[in-house]
Amino acid sequence: KAGVTQTPRYLIKTRGQQVTLSCSPISGHRSVSWYQQTPGQGLQFLFEYFSETQRNKGNFPGRFSGRQFSNSRSEMNVSTLELGDSALYLCASSRDASNQPQHFGDGTRLSIL
Amino acid sequence: QQPVQSPQAVILREGEDAVINCSSSKALYSVHWYRQKHGEAPVFLMILLKGGEQKGHDKISASFNEKKQQSSLYLTASQLSYSGTYFCGTEGNSGYALNFGKGTSLLVTP
Repeated sequence: KAGVTQTPRYLIKTRGQQVTLSCSPISGHRSVSWYQQTPGQGLQFLFEYFSETQRNKGNFPGRFSGRQFSNSRSEMNVSTLELGDSALYLCASSRDASNQPQHFGDGTRLSIL
Repeated sequence: QQPVQSPQAVILREGEDAVINCSSSKALYSVHWYRQKHGEAPVFLMILLKGGEQKGHDKISASFNEKKQQSSLYLTASQLSYSGTYFCGTEGNSGYALNFGKGTSLLVTP
């Protein structure tokens, strides 16, 4: 069974640009959650999608957005990039986010210059 | 909303035991535990639901005290493979969002 796939693995951008990250969940999983991981803050919840609907959102500015497609694949977008957005972005899938194990992808390492 | 984990770091010798604690200021619906090795994705260990049920996975077990909004992860007879960063993730009553602690770095030495 294929795991969670995130693309690209690495990205380098400059301040002010925007970026789109992609996540393909495990087959049969309908919930996709996104997290930002930094050394100082650990794993921080960005948002969760289920059946193309955002069910919950973390405490991040509106520059961070996401969507989910009918095949459960998800994308997140960050606009007007700032230096502080440099982080590892992880997505995790589960059958349903509540009370289910989350299976993480290897992440996208985003560096802002 | 971010749960607080303690200790921040611990170093053990093989065969020793360790306890990692996770506490929240909010009412909890469930607690998840994950382990992340350097350069790898976090890996699920276990979920604990309301009710104080203790779960086990090999020599790793955990408890959840919903009244105190605390969970503890117990690692017994630690092995070298236990090294990594352990995260607790807490879910409140609104559901669908895991709030993770900052992690506990565990190093097991020979």
